[in-house]
Amino acid sequence: GAGVSQSPSNKVTEKGKDVELRCDPISGHTALYWYRQRLGQGLEFLIYFQGNSAPDKSGLPSDRFSAERTGESVSTLTIQRTQQEDSAVYLCASSLDRRQPQHFGDGTRLSIL
Amino acid sequence: AQRVTQPEKLLSVFKGAPVELKCNYSYSGSPELFWYVQYSRQRLQLLLRHISRESIKGFTADLNKGETSFHLKKPFAQEEDSAMYYCALIDTDKLIFGTGTRLQVFP
Repeated sequence: GAGVSQSPSNKVTEKGKDVELRCDPISGHTALYWYRQRLGQGLEFLIYFQGNSAPDKSGLPSDRFSAERTGESVSTLTIQRTQQEDSAVYLCASSLDRRQPQHFGDGTRLSIL
Repeated sequence: AQRVTQPEKLLSVFKGAPVELKCNYSYSGSPELFWYVQYSRQRLQLLLRHISRESIKGFTADLNKGETSFHLKKPFAQEEDSAMYYCALIDTDKLIFGTGTRLQVFP
């Protein structure tokens, strides 16, 4: 594919609802990352997948956040019982392996009303 | 704790002027540092990494371990350089980003 693809590009939902964000990495990239960018702030690491290894979940801010990835393909980031502070742009990136440069998607802009 | 600091939120220069975007880091060990750039309505992309020691679009960045800095420099700014610039370091496989500096280059 042309690059990392994320969907939806925008999501508006009510507080308390669950949301699911999707990331299609570049084919062949074994590493996949999720970041969050709140307004006026830098990117904040959330979770990292490398092949079939256990994911690094050290950046997930609470147990309302979870992510899955099947093999080296699509990943979904799920936020349960959304709060207003979850409003942010959620970026996905992939790389050939963990030490190679990361390629970013366009992000999903999440707005919690 | 590992940290990347970009002290300037906004840097404005005129076309042809030199540019230096500051980046300082805190890291125990040998850091691997990057500059990422996001042009208007485009996705975040890698500009350069310190281990490559290369110049991309006229930009260079030198790692100064004594000053724990990795400032991005360009001798003559162009209007098309206007963008958001993020300094980042790799910590156990994940990137730690600074808060970014918006560069505005006026004609």
